[in-house]
Amino acid sequence: AQSVTQLDSHVSVSEGTPVLLRCNYSSSYSPSLFWYVQHPNKGLQLLLKYTSAATLVKGINGFEAEFKKSETSFHLTKPSAHMSDAAEYFCVVSEGDTGRRALTFGSGTRLQVQP
Amino acid sequence: GAGVSQSPSNKVTEKGKDVELRCDPISGHTALYWYRQSLGQGLEFLIYFQGNSAPDKSGLPSDRFSAERTGGSVSTLTIQRTQQEDSAVYLCASSPQMAGDLDTQYFGPGTRLTVL
Repeated sequence: AQSVTQLDSHVSVSEGTPVLLRCNYSSSYSPSLFWYVQHPNKGLQLLLKYTSAATLVKGINGFEAEFKKSETSFHLTKPSAHMSDAAEYFCVVSEGDTGRRALTFGSGTRLQVQP
Repeated sequence: GAGVSQSPSNKVTEKGKDVELRCDPISGHTALYWYRQSLGQGLEFLIYFQGNSAPDKSGLPSDRFSAERTGGSVSTLTIQRTQQEDSAVYLCASSPQMAGDLDTQYFGPGTRLTVL
């Protein structure tokens, strides 16, 4: 079975500084991995996805993530935080091996951006 | 194009009442999922529909929960005899499940259910 661990429940950065949100996964198969963002009282928006092509994945709003199989990690980064990045971020793995392809979510990391 | 829509956006009900939550997936998406987001449990899978196949109900927490999908499109999640622990945001997602992109899911805004 797949699982996802987000190592930080809260991350606080200053505007203009780099963002690092950490994620480790466990999967029996070559996984599909995603990062979703949820702004307050809004739905989940797909930031980026990894599906066994390039290990460095670029997403929307300047975010990117690197798939490292040896470390079973899929950390999310952004060079320079913006106030609008304040939200909750979910690292997600797809249960591709079960056929139903349901998503397993991490517990989320709340990103605060200080002015 | 239009995204996944859900209605109502908010629902307040009394303990013991039945509720119905509706999801309109993206047109052409063959797969539809229901998830629940609650404070204590995070985001958890509930049920999966794919085309005309029998749904995968393995995530439903009790037999008070049921869902149907009519005509391969709109889905309704029904909770009977609601309990306070059912209070959560119920999220619907759809997926095209096309070759080369089998896993990407697109989420609706959710229905916030409050059971008093």
